[in-house]
Amino acid sequence: ETGVTQSPTHLIKTRGQQVTLRCSSQSGHNTVSWYQQALGQGPQFIFQYYREEENGRGNFPPRFSGLQFPNYSSELNVNALELDDSALYLCASSLGGLAGISYEQYFGPGTRLTVT
Amino acid sequence: DQQVKQNSPSLSVQEGRISILNCDYTNSMFDYFLWYKKYPAEGPTFLISISSIKDKNEDGRFTVFLNKSAKHLSLHIVPSQPGDSAVYFCAAVLRGNRDDKIIFGKGTRLHILP
Repeated sequence: ETGVTQSPTHLIKTRGQQVTLRCSSQSGHNTVSWYQQALGQGPQFIFQYYREEENGRGNFPPRFSGLQFPNYSSELNVNALELDDSALYLCASSLGGLAGISYEQYFGPGTRLTVT
Repeated sequence: DQQVKQNSPSLSVQEGRISILNCDYTNSMFDYFLWYKKYPAEGPTFLISISSIKDKNEDGRFTVFLNKSAKHLSLHIVPSQPGDSAVYFCAAVLRGNRDDKIIFGKGTRLHILP
């Protein structure tokens, strides 16, 4: 059983650029959630994908977008990067079904994004 | 507007004693609550959860209590061990028809003293 992996581990981008972060979910999990964690804060929910469809979204602008693939891996794309986008981006996977999404999530180690 | 609040940024507890971490919330529509633990340089790890229809859930050394009237939940760790030193996050889930949301608190750093 493989855990949640994220790539890259660290990334430095310039304001205005675009970035793509990647996540491989835990084996058997069909749901992926993305979070932004600023220093000293808790994770903030960006959005969630269940079986390749967006299943929920937090208060993030449309320049934050995502994809989930048939193998349930996922991407987070951020366009027109701003300095405030500098944060740790966490991906979490879980299992969803007829009873709803499980929030007993398994988190990856995160991608540290720095925008200069 | 912080819907999930952990008002103690840090807590120190003697090894072997009880650790009590607190969490308050404002939205009575939350229907599920969770606690996560985070070590440095790692992602959070799920610890324990509780449905809004229950008032207590226990798993080994960890017990979560939910007081809906006070919109308060707490995590009890008994006995506290050195490996429990970490940041603990409280989270609440709002289930929609096709639109779930999960909200985390800012975390409480627990130090277990020898």
